[in-house]
Amino acid sequence: GALVYQYPRRTICKSGTSMRMECQAVGFQATSVAWYRQSPQKTFELIALSTVNSAIKYEQNFTQEKFPISHPNLSFSSMTVLNAYLEDRGLYLCGARDPERLFFGHGTKLSVL
Amino acid sequence: AQSVTQPDARVTVSEGASLQLRCKYSYSATPYLFWYVQYPRQGLQLLLKYYSGDPVVQGVNSFEAEFSKSNSSFHLQKASVHWSDSAVYFCALSMENNNAPRFGAGTKLSVKP
Repeated sequence: GALVYQYPRRTICKSGTSMRMECQAVGFQATSVAWYRQSPQKTFELIALSTVNSAIKYEQNFTQEKFPISHPNLSFSSMTVLNAYLEDRGLYLCGARDPERLFFGHGTKLSVL
Repeated sequence: AQSVTQPDARVTVSEGASLQLRCKYSYSATPYLFWYVQYPRQGLQLLLKYYSGDPVVQGVNSFEAEFSKSNSSFHLQKASVHWSDSAVYFCALSMENNNAPRFGAGTKLSVKP
């Protein structure tokens, strides 16, 4: 079956440091990967959509300078939260799509001290 | 621009009662519409989706949703809820099949035993 693994599941970083999270598609080819953030008690905000062989499209309020994304092949994507502060805490969700369906991982929960 | 509105932040029902969670959307064309569920401390799971055809869509766990173009709505329904249905439910919209969906604010469902 098709699965999306995200790791780490939970992580803690000091304020001002950076944290890299990974997203692995298993059993299908992820032609596009969407990264979301769910801040505490809030909905899922789309950070960016990465499509293979296309430029990564960031949503308003999110930038490449803050959330650089790598999508080197059809099974893997990573995103880094640079210079993390309290407002960056939350659940970061990866959604990987084959041409027909979108599969979500369980997310990476980021805490910032 | 497209948007999704879930007017009810919290809904409480008794076990065995019927349920309707409301979702309104704003988009000029016919969107792809989704309902997702997030159980405590977990990621997102797809309940059902709609793009075309029969406006009543069947999903997992006896959930169904009805698309109404005239009302711009996609309400989620269940005839008889169980305590295990307690979770946060998100309505989402996508402009195209290969776009990343945008989520509503979510409705927290509490089922009283």
